[in-house]
Amino acid sequence: DTEVTQTPKHLVMGMTNKKSLKCEQHMGHRAMYWYKQKAKKPPELMFVYSYEKLSINESVPSRFSPECPNSSLLNLHLHALQPEDSALYLCASSQDFGGREQFFGPGTRLTVL
Amino acid sequence: ELKVEQNPLFLSMQEGKNYTIYCNYSTTSDRLYWYRQDPGKSLESLFVLLSNGAVKQEGRLMASLDTKARLSTLHITAAVHDLSATYFCAVDYGGSQGNLIFGKGTKLSVKP
Repeated sequence: DTEVTQTPKHLVMGMTNKKSLKCEQHMGHRAMYWYKQKAKKPPELMFVYSYEKLSINESVPSRFSPECPNSSLLNLHLHALQPEDSALYLCASSQDFGGREQFFGPGTRLTVL
Repeated sequence: ELKVEQNPLFLSMQEGKNYTIYCNYSTTSDRLYWYRQDPGKSLESLFVLLSNGAVKQEGRLMASLDTKARLSTLHITAAVHDLSATYFCAVDYGGSQGNLIFGKGTKLSVKP
């Protein structure tokens, strides 16, 4: 299995909702990443997990809460989001942290009303 | 400051023509990646360039890396409509940063 999967593909939520994005890989990769991508912009790194520990948090607001339950799964919990948080959220994984090719999932298109 | 600059940002080409996209970066790295992104889709890995002088080719696309000049190029030969997409270069600074710094992307449109 050489792919990263993400669910859901699309998500519409209100500002008071709580939802979660899910990411899974079965390539044995030990680093997983969350990126946010706004329209016509490059992806921006949000979080990096290495060996199931949070390694990088790029000053992301606390309304985004990552979780890595095991080496194959990565979640992003969403609470009290703002309309400006609407974006494509991409998950990626790499063999390990630093200097390795990252493989991207298909993304979740999030709309916050 | 880590910077990755791509140019051009927009490129409109006719089918059959050749063109080059440039990716300059500010700080030494010997790992650079090229990705393709179709509208509303994820990033597809095109090339992984891991050393100075690396050259890779796939179909009508060829990528190269000059680490001394801190420059990578993506050359398009005899463009076809199917190549229309946004192309990103990303520099890997590894180490304690361990993440990719993306260029702003080049939106390529190939017209008949």
